Amino acid sequence: ETGVTQTPRHLVMGMTNKKSLKCEQHLGHNAMYWYKQSAKKPLELMFVYNFKEQTENNSVPSRFSPECPNSCHLFLHLHTLQPEDSALYLCASSPGTSGGETQYFGPGTRLLVL
Amino acid sequence: QKEVEQDPGPLSVPEGAIVSLNCTYSNSAFQYFMWYRQYSRKGPELLMYTYSSGNKEDGRFTAQVDKSSKYISLFIRDSQPSDSATYLCAIQTGANNLFFGTGTRLTVIP
Repeated sequence: ETGVTQTPRHLVMGMTNKKSLKCEQHLGHNAMYWYKQSAKKPLELMFVYNFKEQTENNSVPSRFSPECPNSCHLFLHLHTLQPEDSALYLCASSPGTSGGETQYFGPGTRLLVL
Repeated sequence: QKEVEQDPGPLSVPEGAIVSLNCTYSNSAFQYFMWYRQYSRKGPELLMYTYSSGNKEDGRFTAQVDKSSKYISLFIRDSQPSDSATYLCAIQTGANNLFFGTGTRLTVIP
């Protein structure tokens, strides 16, 4: 295990539902990330937080809303999603955001939007 | 043009074979080169990390970087069924943004 945990591991939701994904790291890292992984596509960076401050929003639709209450926890709040949002959502953390910092990934949440 | 190009495979080899996985990239500003391994139902885990051109060896794995050709490779010697996974190349500039390839799915047949 990498020290990054994600819950739930699987989630099925309708387009009108509201749900949240949770990520937790106990590595003492200051930076946390959300990625989207779809079949046959590269990992897509969604959001970056460094010391609880959002430093990057990669043109993500507003139906995805991140929250970072502290350096150990990261949430992704979901509402009115579309079927094309079905994917594996990966959380990662790294010591900081300088070049060359290794990112450690959680196991992901497999999301299916009906 | 994608930042990083990787043949998605799938690739099937017999146990004991040498495996070669490759990526090309377009941005000469990339400085850090990584290979991640992702087993089914798991997140990616860092396998190899290199900074400069040349070879880096770790057990049965060798990572090779050719900055002049913008080409990186991962070689697996004496491949084992436990090596069956998706292998992702990831490349980084001096900032922290990681650019991933699509991943190559490898199956090693006993």
